[in-house]
Amino acid sequence: SYELTQPSSVSVSPGQTARITCSGDVVAKKYVRWFQQKAGQAPMLVIHKDKERPSGIPERFSGSSAGTTATLTISGAQVDDEADYYCFSVADNNLDDGVFGGGTKLTVL
Amino acid sequence: QGRLVQSGSEVKKPGASVKVSCMGGGYIFAGYYIHWVRQAPGQGLEWMGIINPGSGRTKYAEKFQGRVTLTTDTSTKTVSMELTNLRSDDTAVYYCTREPTTTWGQGTLVTVSS
Repeated sequence: SYELTQPSSVSVSPGQTARITCSGDVVAKKYVRWFQQKAGQAPMLVIHKDKERPSGIPERFSGSSAGTTATLTISGAQVDDEADYYCFSVADNNLDDGVFGGGTKLTVL
Repeated sequence: QGRLVQSGSEVKKPGASVKVSCMGGGYIFAGYYIHWVRQAPGQGLEWMGIINPGSGRTKYAEKFQGRVTLTTDTSTKTVSMELTNLRSDDTAVYYCTREPTTTWGQGTLVTVSS
């Protein structure tokens, strides 16, 4: 089965750029999605198909993928972006195995 | 976008089974696959499986094979997740989410305790 590896934590100051990586063989084979999760809330999709932003997600959120590593970039991070972030790989709308990364705690202070 | 509404919290003893439901509304129910995801206290997200609500076809994570069953009822626009032989480490919030994972249920806390 596939695995996705994320750093456990990333810390930036407000206004700086935060980058969170997600590595694994499956990244080279399938699209990656990124979720933001704040305490006590359901996850929220912020990036799908490696780099597409759903409606309503601020432009400061962007995604990229190269080889076996996907990256979520938050340009000009805000205090409100402090949350846990998870990468997830699965084929779109298909009966396919899904796998989450272990999650990254983003601290903005 | 639609919505997903899940059933309420459950408390179960080890060895028992639990069934959590997820009712879809405001969209074409049979048109979008539904995933089940769980999150143990203080832990990360864990993918459990996926179901085609129209056909009932499923795919389960290897870890849960033999213990989890996903079913669908198109008449009530409801998918359900049943987990058997519960253990204490099955204590978690269980979520349903509709492809492309933009819509999530509110989560259902399942507590397994003797």
